[in-house]
Amino acid sequence: QKEVEQDPGPLSVPEGAIVSLNCTYSNSAFQYFMWYRQYSRKGPELLMYTYSSGNKEDGRFTAQVDKSSKYISLFIRDSQPSDSATYLCAMGTNFGNEKLTFGTGTRLTIIP
Amino acid sequence: EAGVAQSPRYKIIEKRQSVAFWCNPISGHATLYWYQQILGQGPKLLIQFQNNGVVDDSQLPKDRFSAERLKGVDSTLKIQPAKLEDSAVYLCASSFTSSETQYFGPGTRLLVL
Repeated sequence: QKEVEQDPGPLSVPEGAIVSLNCTYSNSAFQYFMWYRQYSRKGPELLMYTYSSGNKEDGRFTAQVDKSSKYISLFIRDSQPSDSATYLCAMGTNFGNEKLTFGTGTRLTIIP
Repeated sequence: EAGVAQSPRYKIIEKRQSVAFWCNPISGHATLYWYQQILGQGPKLLIQFQNNGVVDDSQLPKDRFSAERLKGVDSTLKIQPAKLEDSAVYLCASSFTSSETQYFGPGTRLLVL
């Protein structure tokens, strides 16, 4: 069993829709959680991070963590064509020594 | 602020050949990471440097991969000899410290034939 599971998609939604991206994990030692966005032929860029259960909002993006269920989500409101990318979840166990374990990524396409 | 620079951007080699990748991190960033991203997978950490010292190389295939960061700035990752399964994107990332955000370069896309 992989430590981090992520549906690879691809996921296609119309512009303006709400997008939900999810990851599950098996290692209860994971304490902080990140979402990266990766455009084609580019390196990943950090979108959001959190280290507590609950919701964290940043503009059109909301990150949700449920440590009891070992489940994290990223919601994108009012999706735009520029949101089309691969979204990677990443997790770490030891704040201060940031070794990250990534999911496989979900490829998202927003249709104008 | 300039980002993480990597070269070359693309490389095609035959199996059993050797190849080297170069990374120049963001100025002042003490921590440098090399990741391997196979098509359809997330990045996998190969090696982490703190200045010029190795912090973690537990997932580096040391029989064929080597990396160095001699002066604590630029880094090179070498594969010798390359195998077909080494075909991947090699990403370099850097952070101010090991607990800060990692910034990724554009990657070097390697194809081994």
